[in-house]
Amino acid sequence: GQNIDQPTEMTATEGAIVQINCTYQTSGFNGLFWYQQHAGEAPTFLSYNVLDGLEEKGRFSSFLSRSKGYSYLLLKELQMKDSASYLCAVRGLYNFNKFYFGSGTKLNVKP
Amino acid sequence: SQTIHQWPATLVQPVGSPLSLECTVEGTSNPNLYWYRQAAGRGLQLLFYSVGIGQISSEVPQNLSASRPQDRQFILSSKKLLLSDSGFYLCAGKLLEKLFFGSGTQLSVL
Repeated sequence: GQNIDQPTEMTATEGAIVQINCTYQTSGFNGLFWYQQHAGEAPTFLSYNVLDGLEEKGRFSSFLSRSKGYSYLLLKELQMKDSASYLCAVRGLYNFNKFYFGSGTKLNVKP
Repeated sequence: SQTIHQWPATLVQPVGSPLSLECTVEGTSNPNLYWYRQAAGRGLQLLFYSVGIGQISSEVPQNLSASRPQDRQFILSSKKLLLSDSGFYLCAGKLLEKLFFGSGTQLSVL
């Protein structure tokens, strides 16, 4: 089975840096994904990690440690439009077709 | 590029009524397709996925069913809706390693 944990809610200030953590326990692992979801909208893809280390993509970076079952999403130079929920998802090892999502972290960016 | 079309955007249905949500895909053939449900303020729960026509895998026992009558069409159905079926329903397709989502259907069962 899959057990994916994220903080429920976080608050940060415009222009700051925020780190959103995700821990997972799975029967198999083949990739970790981060999605952004604005209220009432569909999730949009942000990043994908399959090997350990940091993946940087503009203001967003994602880190993975497979041995620790841990990932984080780092958002730099926060903007008001970054206020959204951030979903961590894991893809199964023995079934590449299955993607399991955490409950999401609601990020509030304040001026 | 792959596009997921999903409709309607919102739906209000009485308890006990049937349901049919349709999802179609453009820009790719033989895609893996998925139905997820999201309760208010919660994460996405995988309901069904399909790797091809007529092939449906169910993740959790529930009051819903899915069908894939054509390569690019995925349908979510129910014969009799329950209050607990309310939620935000998302259709997704897999392209390369990633999931791409439709715009979702907000279903309210009253």
